[in-house]
Amino acid sequence: DGGITQSPKYLFRKEGQNVTLSCEQNLNHDAMYWYRQDPGQGLRLIYYSQIVNDFQKGDIAEGYSVSREKKESFPLTVTSAQKNPTAFYLCASSIVSGGDNEQFFGPGTRLTVL
Amino acid sequence: QKEVEQNSGPLSVPEGAIASLNCTYSDRVSQSFFWYRQYSGKSPELIMSIYSNGDKEDGRFTAQLNKASQYVSLLIRDSQPSDSATYLCAVNLYGNNRLAFGKGNQVVVIP
Repeated sequence: DGGITQSPKYLFRKEGQNVTLSCEQNLNHDAMYWYRQDPGQGLRLIYYSQIVNDFQKGDIAEGYSVSREKKESFPLTVTSAQKNPTAFYLCASSIVSGGDNEQFFGPGTRLTVL
Repeated sequence: QKEVEQNSGPLSVPEGAIASLNCTYSDRVSQSFFWYRQYSGKSPELIMSIYSNGDKEDGRFTAQLNKASQYVSLLIRDSQPSDSATYLCAVNLYGNNRLAFGKGNQVVVIP
């Protein structure tokens, strides 16, 4: 089945720890995105990548890092520098050409800082 | 003005009625507009895309786009309890591949 997978579904982090969230897609999409969603809020863009080995900061990149070594994978690391990391993290992907930019989401990872 | 605004509070509609959701956006050159449905605790699901002025219908959903007035709306006809969810408006601002999202409108369909 084609789709986007995220793991783990739930993640608990102690203060001061770095954690890495996984995102994998087999849709052959060029672009991948990371969003953060807080209760009652819309989605805010953390990082995005339109091609392997290249990525750009979104609106709230501070305290996060990413890599894009493979087309299928776009892991997100939440570092200890992120002061309020408890949130629902969503990965998405899309084609780049054509301009329609329909983004499809994975099931999400819910991160809680203890 | 925020980039994408969904101002209405929670919307309660009786089963079988029409639910109407509105979204305004700030950028005059935006070309792509999307509606996502998000059930509580789940990720957003794309339900409608619209790129041209006018109406686009897909089953019980109709998206309406008016670029001159910078708004896009979503109508849900014959509302069902399974339509109870938060609906997110998203706009491809400034012609790049980024989407800006509104905060969402919660819809509650009352049996």
